[in-house]
Amino acid sequence: QVQLQESGPGLVKASETLSLTCTLSGGSTRTHYWSWIRQPPGKGLEWIGYLYDTGSTGYNPSLASRVTMSVDTSKNQFSLKLRSVTAADTAVYYCVRRWRSGTYTDAFDIWGQGTMVTVSS
Amino acid sequence: DIQMTQSPSSLSASVGDRVTITCRASQSISSYLNWYQQKPGQAPKLLIYAASSSQSGVPSRFSGSGSGTEFTLTISSLQPEDFATYYCQQSYSIPLTFGGGTKVEIK
Repeated sequence: QVQLQESGPGLVKASETLSLTCTLSGGSTRTHYWSWIRQPPGKGLEWIGYLYDTGSTGYNPSLASRVTMSVDTSKNQFSLKLRSVTAADTAVYYCVRRWRSGTYTDAFDIWGQGTMVTVSS
Repeated sequence: DIQMTQSPSSLSASVGDRVTITCRASQSISSYLNWYQQKPGQAPKLLIYAASSSQSGVPSRFSGSGSGTEFTLTISSLQPEDFATYYCQQSYSIPLTFGGGTKVEIK
């Protein structure tokens, strides 16, 4: 079955760029939407953005000025870059498949295990 | 942005209880509403999509209803493995947004 695995540094210095990669196994990045979602410690979920295999993207306006997402279909990977990080960006970051089908079906159906990223000063 | 408000934020219940969680949207989202379950240290899991459709493999005691601005997730008979935090999420418009969560604890 399809599985997602996040990878990247667990510690990033303030003002630098957070970079994460999600590797897909058991499936293809083609013809699907992919997202990143984060969860600060003890808090709720925040959607960061999505991308499609064509490279088209959509970002949360609250983060759009600092976010770039990209996909490498040849490697079955997609990535997240978040620039100029602060302590407020400390969170567990999840890569997720966004399942869209027909009317009303638009949900996050497959999640990676998540990776904790801490921003240090 | 569409704001999603869940109530209650937490509840205590016993095994076998019927539990209902409410999610309200700040504007109509038709049936673009999903529910997730998250256990400590784990990623969220999709339970219900399109307001009332059960994801494959989800026990039948979980059900969703509603449309427009008000939605409910019902657990018909709470089981020990159901103690978790539940989130609603709208997929009507960007940015996609989540409710603040409802923590279901053991009474």
